Amino acid sequence: EAGVTQSPTHLIKTRGQQATLRCSPISGHTSVYWYQQALGLGLQFLLWYDEGEERNRGNFPPRFSGRQFPNYSSELNVNALELEDSALYLCASSSTSGDNEQFFGPGTRLTVL
Amino acid sequence: AQSVAQPEDQVNVAEGNPLTVKCTYSVSGNPYLFWYVQYPNRGLQFLLKYITGDNLVKGSYGFEAEFNKSQTSFHLKKPSALVSDSALYFCAVRDLYNTDKLIFGTGTRLQVFP
Repeated sequence: EAGVTQSPTHLIKTRGQQATLRCSPISGHTSVYWYQQALGLGLQFLLWYDEGEERNRGNFPPRFSGRQFPNYSSELNVNALELEDSALYLCASSSTSGDNEQFFGPGTRLTVL
Repeated sequence: AQSVAQPEDQVNVAEGNPLTVKCTYSVSGNPYLFWYVQYPNRGLQFLLKYITGDNLVKGSYGFEAEFNKSQTSFHLKKPSALVSDSALYFCAVRDLYNTDKLIFGTGTRLQVFP
């Protein structure tokens, strides 16, 4: 069974640009979560999508947004990039049944110059 | 507010020796606790979880964790460390008020020396 996949692996942008990160969940999982892992700040929850709807968001500005598609894959968009947005962005998926632990993808390393 | 704390930034242990990575939690109600491991330039891998039941939880790669309600701790343990266990370890609690969000500790880097 394939795990959570993310693309691209690396992304380099300049300040003010927009970045789009993509995530495909494990087959059968309907929930997708986005986390930011910035140096010195640990893992911070960004967004949670389930069944196509945004269910919760963390303490991030509105320029962080996303969506979930009918096939449960997801996009994270970051507008007006700032230097401090440089981080590893991790996507996780879970099912809605049982104890629904989250399974993580390998991440996208975003570098803002 | 729900939180977890990992008091050690780094733990060093010799190969073959037992290892412990500490985690304490602060939650309202019954905690859902998790351990994840992150290898260099990789995502997080699920190791084990405590939801309810037996206080000693066994997980992947020979790891186990002991839930201690009186000490509000969920320490990760392994009887005999391997060099390949060297990685970054995260303790996490599921935020019951936001249902599915995971709240992570700051991480502990485990270094196993040959």
